[in-house]
Amino acid sequence: QVQLVQSGAEVKKPGASVKVSCKASGYTFTGYYMHWVRQAPGQGLEWMGRINPNSGGTNYAQKFQGRVTMTRDTSISTAYMELSRLRSDDTAVYYCARLGYSSSFPHYYYMDVWGKGTTVTVSS
Amino acid sequence: QSVLTQPPSASGTPGQRVTISCSGSSSNIGSNTVNWYQQLPGTAPKLLIYSNNQRPSGVPDRFSGSKSGTSASLAISGLQSEDEADYYCAAWDDSLNGHVVFGGGTKLTVL
Repeated sequence: QVQLVQSGAEVKKPGASVKVSCKASGYTFTGYYMHWVRQAPGQGLEWMGRINPNSGGTNYAQKFQGRVTMTRDTSISTAYMELSRLRSDDTAVYYCARLGYSSSFPHYYYMDVWGKGTTVTVSS
Repeated sequence: QSVLTQPPSASGTPGQRVTISCSGSSSNIGSNTVNWYQQLPGTAPKLLIYSNNQRPSGVPDRFSGSKSGTSASLAISGLQSEDEADYYCAAWDDSLNGHVVFGGGTKLTVL
């Protein structure tokens, strides 16, 4: 079945970096964009950016420009999200989500498969 | 402050019909389709409605979506206790280089 399996929880100190992985299975990894969304404790969903696993092209939310890097390894169907210069307000659950699309034209796009999330805690 | 505006809370009794609104602007809801996500406590979001009013397979027809101008709505009829969750609207925003914007979320309580 189609699924996204994310790496385990991380605890980091302020100023450090974290790299979260998202392994895809059950579908052609390069055929679907991958998005990253985070959720701070008790807060709503926040879009971070996306990567085209086929080309490696990325598009980041302005808020994270300069601190986030999304990459992929097509040989193992895995996407990565690295966030640097961590602060306490980066404490959140980080989700990867596949961008699915409707089969008929025009195509409509939506995040149809989500990972279970990776908890990142930033604390001194 | 989210780009899309949702009421922070909504409530209803079992069997009742409730609606959740999502307000945006011409650059997001006004020119793109709206998706809705349901997040049960302690779980990842789940796609509930796409392209304003389409249900993915497996989503009960008690859930419906609509869009008019720069606003969208999610309706839940025949409310059930298992519908208690957070609901988020989302859309692409053309003024933000095609980035995705979410609503702040609405916590639905089944009384």
